[in-house]
Amino acid sequence: EDKVVQSPLSLVVHEGDTVTLNCSYEVTNFRSLLWYKQEKKAPTFLFMLTSSGIEKKSGRLSSILDKKELFSILNITATQTGDSAIYLCAVVDRGSTLGRLYFGRGTQLTVWP
Amino acid sequence: DVKVTQSSRYLVKRTGEKVFLECVQDMDHENMFWYRQDPGLGLRLIYFSYDVKMKEKGDIPEGYSVSREKKERFSLILESASTNQTSMYLCASSERAFYGYTFGSGTRLTVV
Repeated sequence: EDKVVQSPLSLVVHEGDTVTLNCSYEVTNFRSLLWYKQEKKAPTFLFMLTSSGIEKKSGRLSSILDKKELFSILNITATQTGDSAIYLCAVVDRGSTLGRLYFGRGTQLTVWP
Repeated sequence: DVKVTQSSRYLVKRTGEKVFLECVQDMDHENMFWYRQDPGLGLRLIYFSYDVKMKEKGDIPEGYSVSREKKERFSLILESASTNQTSMYLCASSERAFYGYTFGSGTRLTVV
């Protein structure tokens, strides 16, 4: 079964809307959670979260982690068409070989003008 | 700037062909990974390597093999391509355990 579950899998909004993407996880020995944005090609790094309750922010994007409830959210305010992408959540399990990343299936965000 | 380079962006091969996908990183990273990405399934790990000549199977290694003769290069080999291997293939590297990955731009492989 999936160790990392993202929801929704697909989302369509209009420019200016605010969106919240969800990521829940279940790993034996959590170390960190990462968010990536993927447009047409390589996923690009957005945030790494290791501590609960500390918000990471970059422009209109922000993310927070809840280690007690085992989830993270990624917020995007005042969305733009350039935010259209697949957003990937990944978790590092300390107990895994090489600290490999376990990925969710991604959320496909489409922003209409 | 850190770079992971995949040799081909698009590739079309015939069923039964032997296919090589090449990945090169210029960061002196120890760890390298091959994923395939399919709609609705996300990224699935095929193989990874933590040193030259060392390799480990990921979650879906069947039908694939890998080669790492030099630290900077990690090759994915499809011994006999099949149509169900049509996919986006992503290579990634990381400095050491528990660090996030740097991804290549991907190779979209179509097997006809």
